[in-house]
Amino acid sequence: EAGVVQSPRYKIIEKKQPVAFWCNPISGHNTLYWYRQNLGQGPELLIRYENEEAVDDSQLPKDRFSAERLKGVDSTLKIQPAELGDSAVYLCASSLEGYGTGKPGANVLTFGAGSRLTVL
Amino acid sequence: SQQGEEDPQALSIQEGENATMNCSYKTSINNLQWYRQNSGRGLVHLILIRSNEREKHSGRLRVTLDTSKKSSSLLITASRAADTASYFCATDAYQAGTALIFGKGTTLSVSS
Repeated sequence: EAGVVQSPRYKIIEKKQPVAFWCNPISGHNTLYWYRQNLGQGPELLIRYENEEAVDDSQLPKDRFSAERLKGVDSTLKIQPAELGDSAVYLCASSLEGYGTGKPGANVLTFGAGSRLTVL
Repeated sequence: SQQGEEDPQALSIQEGENATMNCSYKTSINNLQWYRQNSGRGLVHLILIRSNEREKHSGRLRVTLDTSKKSSSLLITASRAADTASYFCATDAYQAGTALIFGKGTTLSVSS
């Protein structure tokens, strides 16, 4: 079974340029998360989807970040325009059951390898 | 925001030794999880301990949880070079409507 697939693995762009990251979660996983991980820090949640609905995007900087999960499967995270401070690893994760449902494995996340963004 | 704080930030040990890392958190939780991250990779779930549990084992891992002190510890026994990684605790307070919140992590280095 394929895990969570992310692309690209690495991206280097000039500031003010746009960038997009793609994530394909584990088949059948309804909940999808985007986290950002700065160097030497733990991941911080940007947005959580339950199927195609964004149910927690309170930490997403909406002036420049956008995300979508059409058809409740793949997801794309976009930054436009990128700033120097956006340099980080963007991690996608998925879980089988809806977050907080109390079902087994509901809140256990499977992460992708991440997309490392460098903004020059 | 990050709720969990791991201690120490970095730990260096020899193969065969035990490694203990601690996590403190601020608010009530439903469960606490530990994840491992190898360099340049995503996080891998290791173990979950519920708020009504005090200790849990999985292979060479032993996790304790003290909700009165809002702290948890992860013990890796008989460490191997392959255990070299960063370890993160993640607090789960889903009844409060928040997703998993990760700490800053402990970087473990096991030398042979």
